[in-house]
Amino acid sequence: QSALTQPASVSGSPGQSITISCSGISSDVGSYNLVSWYQQHPGKAPKLMIYEGSKRPSGVSNRFSGSKSANTASLTISGLQAEDEADYYCCSYATSTPSGVVFGGGVVFGGGTRLTVL
Amino acid sequence: QVQLVQSGAEVKKPGASVKVSCKASGYTFTSYDINWVRQAPGQGLEWMGWMNPNSGKTGYAQKFQGRVTMTRSTSISTAYMELSSLTSDDTAVYYCARTIDFDHWGQGTLVTVSS
Repeated sequence: QSALTQPASVSGSPGQSITISCSGISSDVGSYNLVSWYQQHPGKAPKLMIYEGSKRPSGVSNRFSGSKSANTASLTISGLQAEDEADYYCCSYATSTPSGVVFGGGVVFGGGTRLTVL
Repeated sequence: QVQLVQSGAEVKKPGASVKVSCKASGYTFTSYDINWVRQAPGQGLEWMGWMNPNSGKTGYAQKFQGRVTMTRSTSISTAYMELSSLTSDDTAVYYCARTIDFDHWGQGTLVTVSS
C-alpha cells in the first residue's frame, strides 16, 4: 500500500488535457512544498518532470505543470501527445512514512498512474 | 553532464547479500545527497533511504532498517547500497538518484533472488 494515493489509470486523446491527482496527509503533501512528479516509460528509469510542487527542470516541456491544494497535489499535461503515454509517479518529502519515522526525514511515493493516449 | 552509472545485474540466493554501486560524474559528488529507490517487477517505486556523501550520514526507511547499509567512497565518487538477508521479495530493479528531487537517476540494477 502506497503512502500517496493516485488513480490507477487516466486516458485522453491527442491535444486534450489531463490531470493526475496525488493525495497525501498533513505530514507529507500537506506540510511541505516538496512534491515531485516522475515519468517512466517501460524499461526505463524514471525522469523528473516537476519538482517543488510546480517547478519544471530544464528541458521539460511547458505542457507539464504542477500544483497543490491542501493535502492534494496535481500534475496537468496539456496538448497530449503520443509520447506522453507512460507511468507517472508523485513523490513527497515526509516526516512520517507508512513504515515509521525516518531520521532526517523520508520520502513517500504514490502508487503510479498509467496514462494512455487514445 | 550529470551521470549516475550503476553496476550490473546480480543473481543471488535467498539469505545472501548484494552490494550495488552508483558512480557519479559531471558534478561535485559530495554536494548532493544520494537516494536509493527500488521497483519490483510490475510494481511502483519504493524509497529505501538516503545518504549524505559529504558526511556519510544516512536515513533509512524503517522497512529496511537493519538490512540495508548505504556507504560511499569519495575518492572515486561512488555510492553503495548493500542489502542483506535477501528473499524473493527483494527481486527488483534498484536505482540510485540524486537529491531529494531525484533530479538524475542511474540506469537501474536488476537484482534477482532465486534458489
